[in-house]
Amino acid sequence: QITLQESGPTLVKPTQTLTLTCTFSGFSLRTSGEGVGWIRQPPGKALEWLALIYWDDNERYSPSLKTRLTITKDTSKNQVLLTMTNMDPVDTATYYCAHRRITAAGQYLDYWGQGALVTVSS
Amino acid sequence: QSVLTQPPSVSGAPGQRVTISCTGSSSNFGAGYDVHWYQQLPGTAPKLLLFGNSNRPSGVPDRFSGSKSGTSASLAITGLQAEDEADYYCQSFDSSLRGVVFGGGTKLTVL
Repeated sequence: QITLQESGPTLVKPTQTLTLTCTFSGFSLRTSGEGVGWIRQPPGKALEWLALIYWDDNERYSPSLKTRLTITKDTSKNQVLLTMTNMDPVDTATYYCAHRRITAAGQYLDYWGQGALVTVSS
Repeated sequence: QSVLTQPPSVSGAPGQRVTISCTGSSSNFGAGYDVHWYQQLPGTAPKLLLFGNSNRPSGVPDRFSGSKSGTSASLAITGLQAEDEADYYCQSFDSSLRGVVFGGGTKLTVL
C-alpha cells in the first residue's frame, strides 16, 4: 500500500526559503517508471502543479515557478524534497505530494498525502 | 487561468444525472493525452476518481463515468447522492508546458 506524508514549517516569513519533505512508503524511486509530484492549493482556490521528479533523476517544473523551485530525492530515506525560494504571502497554500503513475497516454496522481498548510506572513 | 477549462459550479437533485465538462487544447487532449479526474471532499486531499479517460480505481462506484473526444472531456455522475457534494478537478499532461495541468475545478452542489 502506497502512503505519502508531507512535513515542514507551517509558517514562513516573506522572502524566506521554504523546504518541504515528502516521506513515502509502498514504492521506491529506484524503480523504473516511478515518480513523485508536488501540487499546491491556495485557500478556496484550484490545484496547481508545481514539480515532478522521476526515478531517473529527471525533473519537471511548472514554467511559471521554475526559477524558484528545486525538487530532489533521497532514495535511501524514501523522501522527496521541494524547495521554494523568495516566499510571498500569495504562496500561502496547502502543499501536497503525490505518487505519479505513468501510462502510454500521460500520467496521473493516484495516491496523495494529506497535505501541509503553509502560511506566509511576517 | 487554468490550462484546462471547467465550469465553476454545477448542481443537481438527489437521484439525477449531472455532467462536468473539461476543455483542453491541441497540446494536451488534442495531442492524445488522457484526462483524469479527482474528487476533493471538503477539508480533505484530492482523491483519484477516474484515470485514463474512463477507468475507475478500485472502490469508485460505477455511478461515475468519463469520456474524452477531441479537445474536450466530461465526467458524468448518475444517481446523485448527498455524499457526492465536492469539488471535481480534471487533469492531463501538456506537451507545450511539459508538465501536469489541472482544470480550475467544479463545485458540485447536491440540492
